[in-house]
Amino acid sequence: AQSVSQHNHHVILSEAASLELGCNYSYGGTVNLFWYVQYPGQHLQLLLKYFSGDPLVKGIKGFEAEFIKSKFSFNLRKPSVQWSDTAEYFCAVDSNYQLIWGAGTKLIIKP
Amino acid sequence: DTGVSQDPRHKITKRGQNVTFRCDPISEHNRLYWYRQTLGQGPEFLTYFQNEAQLEKSRLLSDRFSAERPKGSFSTLEIQRTEQGDSAMYLCASSLGGRGRVNIQYFGAGTRLSVL
Repeated sequence: AQSVSQHNHHVILSEAASLELGCNYSYGGTVNLFWYVQYPGQHLQLLLKYFSGDPLVKGIKGFEAEFIKSKFSFNLRKPSVQWSDTAEYFCAVDSNYQLIWGAGTKLIIKP
Repeated sequence: DTGVSQDPRHKITKRGQNVTFRCDPISEHNRLYWYRQTLGQGPEFLTYFQNEAQLEKSRLLSDRFSAERPKGSFSTLEIQRTEQGDSAMYLCASSLGGRGRVNIQYFGAGTRLSVL
């Protein structure tokens, strides 16, 4: 069965620091990959997605992610975080229409 | 506003009672999903509809759980004889699916269930 691992449950950074959140998945075939974000008190929102083509995908709010097939990874990056990026970030894989989710990473940005 | 509406936002019930949640998807979306999320975890898939047909059910969905989407529009999730372990956030999502389409799911704000 598919599984998704997010390496860090909690990350604390200062404003302007660079961010990288790890995500690894277990399935070796064709995958559709997503990062969702949940800001405090809000619903899950799509941050970015990968289906095919360029393995470096750009999303909203300056986020990007790189799909590395050989490493089964889809890490999320942002060069300079802001206080407003404080949220929980979830990596997910599309498996037969359902999404398989990682446990999430809570990101806290210190002003 | 994602366009997926869930009602109620919060539900507190006593153990043994039945509860029903409603989800209104984005109007043109033919696919509807239910997930459950507990503290510190990502969402877990429960079930999935394409139009009015329930095409997939997770093993998490015990006999006490039933979901319907009678006219292919809104959906209801009912939990009978609630147990404390049912306490969770219940999330609904919808997508526009079909051959060659990218399956992007849009989520509602969820219904938080507390079973006392």
